[in-house]
Amino acid sequence: NAGVTQTPKFQVLKTGQSMTLQCAQDMNHNSMYWYRQDPGMGLRLIYYSASEGTTDKGEVPNGYNVSRLNKREFSLRLESAAPSQTSVYFCASSEASEESPLHFGNGTRLTVT
Amino acid sequence: QKEVEQNSGPLSVPEGAIASLNCTYSDRGSQSFFWYRQYSGKSPELIMFIYSNGDKEDGRFTAQLNKASQYVSLLIRDSQPSDSATYLCAVDTGRRALTFGSGTRLQVQP
Repeated sequence: NAGVTQTPKFQVLKTGQSMTLQCAQDMNHNSMYWYRQDPGMGLRLIYYSASEGTTDKGEVPNGYNVSRLNKREFSLRLESAAPSQTSVYFCASSEASEESPLHFGNGTRLTVT
Repeated sequence: QKEVEQNSGPLSVPEGAIASLNCTYSDRGSQSFFWYRQYSGKSPELIMFIYSNGDKEDGRFTAQLNKASQYVSLLIRDSQPSDSATYLCAVDTGRRALTFGSGTRLQVQP
């Protein structure tokens, strides 16, 4: 049982390049999330998807787009990377019922130069 | 004011002592509260959650919730060096997704 799988684990981009972070979960969860984590800032929500076919903005959505491809997969795209997007990105999933915890992937460490 | 506030630490305790980690939140409508542990370079892992006022115990961990005062705490008894990590408080306000504090770094000295 893999849980939440993120790819890639590390990525270096030049300013202006684009890339897609992939996330897949095998727990049959309805809800999926993308967070970024910066030193001293905690985890901040970028986008989330409460169910297949729906996506909503979180706290810091600017510069990102997402796609809920199916129930298992939720991707995050950076169309034109900026140094301010240097961060660690975590994908998570949950059952989306009250008290249901988030299950996190191992993270993607992105550096934009 | 941040929605979820934690002291960044580091909180340093000797091995075998009780570590007390605190978290305050601003949204009175918050329903559920979670504590995650995060080792350096790793992803957060759930320690426990609480949603009723009072204490909830799980092994060496006790979560305490006081909704009137809007704080939640985590006590770690008999602290071990392996408990050294960053502890994240997360709050479910019912609006969308969990809101996290910035975390408290705990150091347990052997």
